[in-house]
Amino acid sequence: EVQLVESGGGLVKPGGSLTLSCATSGFTFSDAWMTWVRQAPGKGLEWVGRINRKSGGGTADYAAPVKGRFTISRDDSKNTLHLQMNSLKTEDTAVYYCCNYDRGSMESWGQGTLVTVSS
Amino acid sequence: QSALTQPASVSGSPGQSITISCTGTSSDVGRYNFVSWYQQHPGQAPKLMIYEVTKWPSGVSNRFSGSKSGNTASLTISGLQAEDEADYYCCSYAGNSLIFGGGTKLTVL
Repeated sequence: EVQLVESGGGLVKPGGSLTLSCATSGFTFSDAWMTWVRQAPGKGLEWVGRINRKSGGGTADYAAPVKGRFTISRDDSKNTLHLQMNSLKTEDTAVYYCCNYDRGSMESWGQGTLVTVSS
Repeated sequence: QSALTQPASVSGSPGQSITISCTGTSSDVGRYNFVSWYQQHPGQAPKLMIYEVTKWPSGVSNRFSGSKSGNTASLTISGLQAEDEADYYCCSYAGNSLIFGGGTKLTVL
């Protein structure tokens, strides 16, 4: 059974930093593309970014609102995905979901972790 | 890139069929056969219902079906059931990014 468990959310001030993690199991993490998707309170889904598997170069792509501030990385030895978020803004407040990605879709989702950016 | 366009709400009675549209552009929906649909119940994570426009993930009912014509994709739910009441989101590949629709709230009357 595929499991994705996000952690690291919390309250942070504008301009601050936070790193989210996603522990995975039930699939071959090193072979998987991974993505982050967020959902602001009461709002719709928004794609944050994705990372290729290491064998494909391990490169990452980002949505325009987070490019240059967020960094996605992966630790294949620990089957864990990370999202480092810098220069946080109030509009980054959202539940952040970790997903495995294949054929243009997010196959499995974690339960999400809430990030609140507020002074 | 702007969000894909979905109706804010649709409704139907049990047993009926409904269709949710998802309109993009020639750079996303119209260009790639990588449209997916997600169901989200309140307080829960989204669930993949359709991928690559028309395909079902394992375990998803075939009452859900997808299609595409030009820049518009559609999700049809036949034989509506009470448990289908949820928010539905479309998503399209757009090169090195993904774009979601704004979401559609389905009410089962």
